[in-house]
Amino acid sequence: RKEVEQDPGPFNVPEGATVAFNCTYSNSASQSFFWYRQDCRKEPKLLMSVYSSGNEDGRFTAQLNRASQYISLLIRDSKLSDSATYLCVVIFYGQNFVFGPGTRLSVLP
Amino acid sequence: NAGVTQTPKFQVLKTGQSMTLQCAQDMNHEYMSWYRQDPGMGLRLIHYSVGAGITDQGEVPNGYNVSRSTTEDFPLRLLSAAPSQTSVYFCASKSGTGVTYNEQFFGPGTRLTVL
Repeated sequence: RKEVEQDPGPFNVPEGATVAFNCTYSNSASQSFFWYRQDCRKEPKLLMSVYSSGNEDGRFTAQLNRASQYISLLIRDSKLSDSATYLCVVIFYGQNFVFGPGTRLSVLP
Repeated sequence: NAGVTQTPKFQVLKTGQSMTLQCAQDMNHEYMSWYRQDPGMGLRLIHYSVGAGITDQGEVPNGYNVSRSTTEDFPLRLLSAAPSQTSVYFCASKSGTGVTYNEQFFGPGTRLTVL
């Protein structure tokens, strides 16, 4: 079983739609959680950290469920510019990041 | 600040050749790392360093060497290139060595093809 798994995608949604991505991780001792965004043929960039209490940044909401070892990302009112691959990232031991395979989102006009 | 820079952007090698991928950062970050990204696999950690003179192996270190003689530079050396090393390579850095400092900054990547 992979350490970090994500919805396989791709997700094709119309502009204005709400879309949710799921991520599960295998190690219950995981320490920190993030969502990164990667545009086509570009480097990953931090989208947001994920906190136990949940957190929101504009149209983006991240949730963490430690008991179920599950992380989610909700995007409301999708824009064309949200089209990208979304990477779930977990820190298991110390400071090394473990990346999920990513979920590709295409927002259609 | 230039952030994290990588050279070259593209490279084609023949099987058995060696080469060095360069990575530099100007943010005075202690932690630097190298990843490879393959379709459907996500980014996998090759080697990392928590400071000058200190390096360690990640998930997929075989066939690669690293060194960290300065805080700024973290080159990745392919010893004898194989077609299985065809990939996109990303260098990254972050400040601090604890979980408090969490955002990694990535370079633009090097696309390597081994024939």
